[in-house]
Amino acid sequence: QPVLTQSSSASASLGSSVKLTCTLSSGHSTYIIAWHQQQPGKAPRFLMKSEVSGTYNKGSGVPDRFSGSSSGADRYLTISNLQSEDEADYYCETWDTNTYVFGTGTRVTVL
Amino acid sequence: EVQLVESGGGLVKPGESLRLSCAASGFTFSTYSMNWVRQAPGKGLEWVSSISGSSSYINYADSVRGRFTISRDNAKNSVYLQMNSLRAEDTAVYYCARALWYSSSWYAHNDYWGQGTLVTVSS
Repeated sequence: QPVLTQSSSASASLGSSVKLTCTLSSGHSTYIIAWHQQQPGKAPRFLMKSEVSGTYNKGSGVPDRFSGSSSGADRYLTISNLQSEDEADYYCETWDTNTYVFGTGTRVTVL
Repeated sequence: EVQLVESGGGLVKPGESLRLSCAASGFTFSTYSMNWVRQAPGKGLEWVSSISGSSSYINYADSVRGRFTISRDNAKNSVYLQMNSLRAEDTAVYYCARALWYSSSWYAHNDYWGQGTLVTVSS
């Protein structure tokens, strides 16, 4: 099964940008992943699907400030023009042989 | 608008049972696989179980296999999670989620989530 590695926290100033990383384990570097946002006290929300080619497809209503990219086994989520409502936990997710796997999540703090 | 509404959570003692329900609306329910995903207090997301649209394919996480049973009723647009022999470590918010399947990529991910229902297992 793939393992998804995320840093535990990230912070950036209001109006700036932050780039989050989700790293796929060895042997799974071409896997597609999904990003989900979980604001405090709320349910997760799907943000986008991200592929090894760099192609990403966002969910309904996801602001243009959110974008995805890829390099090797790394999948990135970039949040531009950071807003206070972007303060949340961000999880990556993948799928393999009927099993869903989540990363440990990155907590984003808006300074 | 896609909506998923969970119910059935509560406080139970170790060894007891509980049945969660998830009512879906806003999409053709029978054509989508559905998942249960849980989140222990202060922890991350953990996939629990999946069921395909026709109930032909069912899978469980190792942590719940043999104790939990997923099922669905397409006539009622609902998915269920029967939880038996509950343990303290099953304490979590349980989310119902819709799975989006990409046959060309042989890949799936969750694309809509319910608001969750809290299950607390404590004596």
